Amino acid sequence: AQSVTQLGSHVSVSEGALVLLRCNYSSSVPPYLFWYVQYPNQGLQLLLKYTSAATLVKGINGFEAEFKKSETSFHLTKPSAHMSDAAEYFCAVSVKGAQKLVFGQGTRLTINP
Amino acid sequence: NAGVTQTPKFQVLKTGQSMTLQCAQDMNHNSMYWYRQDPGMGLRLIYYSASEGTTDKGEVPNGYNVSRLNKREFSLRLESAAPSQTSVYFCASIGGWYSYEQYFGPGTRLTVT
Repeated sequence: AQSVTQLGSHVSVSEGALVLLRCNYSSSVPPYLFWYVQYPNQGLQLLLKYTSAATLVKGINGFEAEFKKSETSFHLTKPSAHMSDAAEYFCAVSVKGAQKLVFGQGTRLTINP
Repeated sequence: NAGVTQTPKFQVLKTGQSMTLQCAQDMNHNSMYWYRQDPGMGLRLIYYSASEGTTDKGEVPNGYNVSRLNKREFSLRLESAAPSQTSVYFCASIGGWYSYEQYFGPGTRLTVT
């Protein structure tokens, strides 16, 4: 079975600072990994995904994530935070053929002016 | 192209009442999902339907039933609502067999008093 742990339920950064949201996964087979973003009172929107191609994945809005098999991690980063990045972020894992996602608990990102 | 739509957006029920949450997608997707979102717990899968005519239990199916009415529509029914079912409910669908990207509806905020 797969599982995801997001370290930190709440992260606060200053505008222009580096954003780092941590995600560790557990999977007995090669995983597919996803980051979703949820803005207030909206559904989830895909930011980026790793499906066994390049380990550094670029997504929308300047976000990227790196798959590190040795560390079982898929951390999300953005070099310079913008006020519009304030949202809740979810890491999720699936495996080939499963078509089901297992989500982490979510990390709420706050941007300070 | 409306994507995934859900009705209603908000609902308040009394304990013991029943209701059906509706979900429809216009992307010709095969698989559809129902999740509940609770603070600090991420999204948890209630039921899913891999194709028209099939449904399977997810992580938290107790107290819910589902119907895959046709390829477009997937409804979630609460037969006898309980306060523990107060949550935000999301419907999602997925494209091709190896797509893995789930598209989410805007959610239904349900309160059971």
